[in-house]
Amino acid sequence: QQQVKQSPQSLIVQKGGIPIINCAYENTAFDYFPWYQQFPGKGPALLIAIRPDVSEKKEGRFTISFNKSAKQFSLHIMDSQPGDSATYFCAASIGQATNKLIFGTGTLLAVQP
Amino acid sequence: DVKVTQSSRYLVKRTGEKVFLECVQDMDHENMFWYRQDPGLGLRLIYFSYDVKMKEKGDIPEGYSVSREKKERFSLILESASTNQTSMYLCASSLITGEQYFGPGTRLTVT
Repeated sequence: QQQVKQSPQSLIVQKGGIPIINCAYENTAFDYFPWYQQFPGKGPALLIAIRPDVSEKKEGRFTISFNKSAKQFSLHIMDSQPGDSATYFCAASIGQATNKLIFGTGTLLAVQP
Repeated sequence: DVKVTQSSRYLVKRTGEKVFLECVQDMDHENMFWYRQDPGLGLRLIYFSYDVKMKEKGDIPEGYSVSREKKERFSLILESASTNQTSMYLCASSLITGEQYFGPGTRLTVT
């Protein structure tokens, strides 16, 4: 119940395409869903986050879609660029009282020029 | 600028050795975390600390211990390193709530 399932494991798109990464969870007590981006040789960094009281959040070319009834959320990258090539992790937590995050298994995205 | 530093980027140790991984943050954060990152398994929480001298086990604490004697420093200790502890180790810090800031990681190889 504490798992966050992420797919696909890897993804290759052409420049300008819209990669979509999906995550699913079981624990309905989760109420904070961040996405982290990790470049090779670096630690992950927060990209965008959403709470379940909204169905969508946009920041620049990055959009989180959230489906509370299906217990799923996804990351869309509009007009993807080679510089977006990285590993993306979804995560979830129960409130932020302890700030503990449960991470998905990661998606390696390659955007080809 | 936010900064989390880890003592080594690469480390090679022998089976049975005691290993110390050090993490320092300069943001006066209350929370600090140790994760290990393995291909196909994502980031898994080993231990976290919400205050000096306070710690809680994460999802995979077996074979590890931690120490937090000062607010800015959080150490991960492998009492007797084993080959299955070969991994990337990531330290993070955060305020009581909010974004976790990660260090660059230490790639540990146990031979």
